Amino acid sequence: DQQVKQNSPSLSVQEGRISILNCDYTNSMFDYFLWYKKYPAEGPTFLISISSIKDKNEDGRFTVFLNKSAKHLSLHIVPSQPGDSAVYFCAASDGTGNQFYFGTGTSLTVIP
Amino acid sequence: DTAVSQTPKYLVTQMGNDKSIKCEQNLGHDTMYWYKQDSKKFLKIMFSYNNKELIINETVPNRFSPKSPDKAHLNLHINSLELGDSAVYFCASSQDLAGDSIQYFGAGTRLSVL
Repeated sequence: DQQVKQNSPSLSVQEGRISILNCDYTNSMFDYFLWYKKYPAEGPTFLISISSIKDKNEDGRFTVFLNKSAKHLSLHIVPSQPGDSAVYFCAASDGTGNQFYFGTGTSLTVIP
Repeated sequence: DTAVSQTPKYLVTQMGNDKSIKCEQNLGHDTMYWYKQDSKKFLKIMFSYNNKELIINETVPNRFSPKSPDKAHLNLHINSLELGDSAVYFCASSQDLAGDSIQYFGAGTRLSVL
């Protein structure tokens, strides 16, 4: 039962353009959503998060949008840079610490 | 100074053997986790410990047993290894169990069972 899904396994974007990574979830009890970034041979590192009471959170070039009615969130990176090339994981939690789920990841390639 | 370190980085072993993976965090966090990333790249939580107490124990075989001697360490012991155990195992820690608590990951241990 995959409660967090990232349906695009890969994405290629030109440097300077916008990258949009999508994530869908099924559990309406999720309270927090986080994005992690992972380089090869390293563990995931935290990128940005959003609480379910918000619909947008911005941090520099990274913005996360949450659409609760659609159970969908997206990560926007603008402008995209070659160093952004990595696997991006969406994650969701119910706020109690008892449920924590990662998506399968989207591999982003930013072409110089 | 690595915040979350796990050893070994690579582990190659025969079916039926028993092996351990160690994890240590120097962040002063209360909560630690073990994740398994399988061949499909699905990152699935296996266990979480908060102040040395087991909180999450997902449906993993009994052959997997976590041991937390103190808050800074969460080791993973695997008995009678099987081919399907081959995966990358990640250790992580967070300040607490709050849903928005950021998790810090180790670099992973690639386990290959032959």
